[in-house]
Order: sequence, then C-alpha cells, then structure tokens
Amino acid sequence: GQSLEQPSEVTAVEGAIVQINCTYQTSGFYGLSWYQQHDGGAPTFLSYNALDGLEETGRFSSFLSRSDSYGYLLLQELQMKDSASYFCAVRREGSSNTGKLIFGQGTTLQVKP
Amino acid sequence: EPEVTQTPSHQVTQMGQEVILRCVPISNHLYFYWYRQILGQKVEFLVSFYNNEISEKSEIFDDQFSVERPDGSNFTLKIRSTKLEDSAMYFCASSGETKFKLFFGSGTQLSVL
Repeated sequence: GQSLEQPSEVTAVEGAIVQINCTYQTSGFYGLSWYQQHDGGAPTFLSYNALDGLEETGRFSSFLSRSDSYGYLLLQELQMKDSASYFCAVRREGSSNTGKLIFGQGTTLQVKP
Repeated sequence: EPEVTQTPSHQVTQMGQEVILRCVPISNHLYFYWYRQILGQKVEFLVSFYNNEISEKSEIFDDQFSVERPDGSNFTLKIRSTKLEDSAMYFCASSGETKFKLFFGSGTQLSVL
C-alpha cells in the first residue's frame, strides 16, 4: 500500500518562515507534488519534485530526498492569505501516464498577525 | 487564466437516485480526472480519463460510477444509485502534457439524504 504523513496543524506568525514536512511510503515512487487549498476552495498546484533537491517558486520552495522518502514545503515571508491547508501528493510509476495523485491528509496552516 | 468549471456547485439528492456531475476541463488539456473529498478529509482519486477511455480507477470507482466525455468540451461523472456515503465534494481536474500539474475545478458539493 501507500501512505503519506504530514502534520495536521501548523501555526506561524506573519513574516515568518514555516516548513511543512511530508514522509511517504509507496512502491514505485515517481514524484511529489504540493497543493494549497483554501477553505471551501479547489486544490491549487504549488510545486512538484521528481528529483532530489530544492525547487524554488517565489516565496515557496519544495524539497525532496528520495533516499529518505521525505519532502517538505517551505513558505517564506508568510502572509495572512497563506492560511490554508497544504497537501503533499505522491505520483507513482504505474500512474506516470495517468497523472493519478495520492494525497496526504493535509496540514492546516494558520498565520497569525 | 483558463480554468476548469463545474456545475452544479451544490447538488442535493435522495438515496438511490442518479446524479450527473458536469465539468468543462481546460480546452487544450488531454487528461481528465475526478477526485472527491469528504469533509475534513484528504482528497481521494476516483478515476482518470485519456483518449476517450478510463486510464486508471480506484477501488472507490465501482460499478455505480461512470464517466463520459460526450462531446469535445464536457466531462461528466454519473453515480447511478447514490448512497449516503457518496456525500462529498467532487472535484474535476485536468492536465496537459505536464501531467503532474493538475488544475482543479471549484467542486460540486453532493449531499445524499
């Protein structure tokens, strides 16, 4: 089977840096994605890592270590609008042609003034 | 920016009734998906669709579910005989050649009474 673990809640203050970790167990790992979801909204793509290392997109960065089955999302210069749920999602080799994603339970980030 | 549109935004139905959820994916995308999310839980994969056929489906996607692309723009999910446990937010998504980057619609909240 497959499983993804991420913290259920994280709280940080405006302007700070926060890291949301994700560990996964799956056969045939292909890549790790991160999605943001505001209350009542649709998941929105943030980043994707297929290879080890750091991917940077503006204030958001994502890291992957395939050997440790671990990744994280780093959010810098936090803003109130970053308060949302963040999901890591695994793409498996068998689904490399379909785009199927297996989502984690999500981390609720609360940004305080 | 192009977006995935879903209708209706809310659907209330009686147990045992058939429902059809409708989606218009982004026009030049080739891969289409249905996911669902029970309140407070993770996003779950239902089915992926490519080249006019199902490319992958989950164990949730049993004989009560079907998908169709009746024309060049619409993508539908039909639940033949709804159960109470089908109550969830159903998200349609699509992706282009960058298969790992899914664009989600705003969802249809299905309530089965």
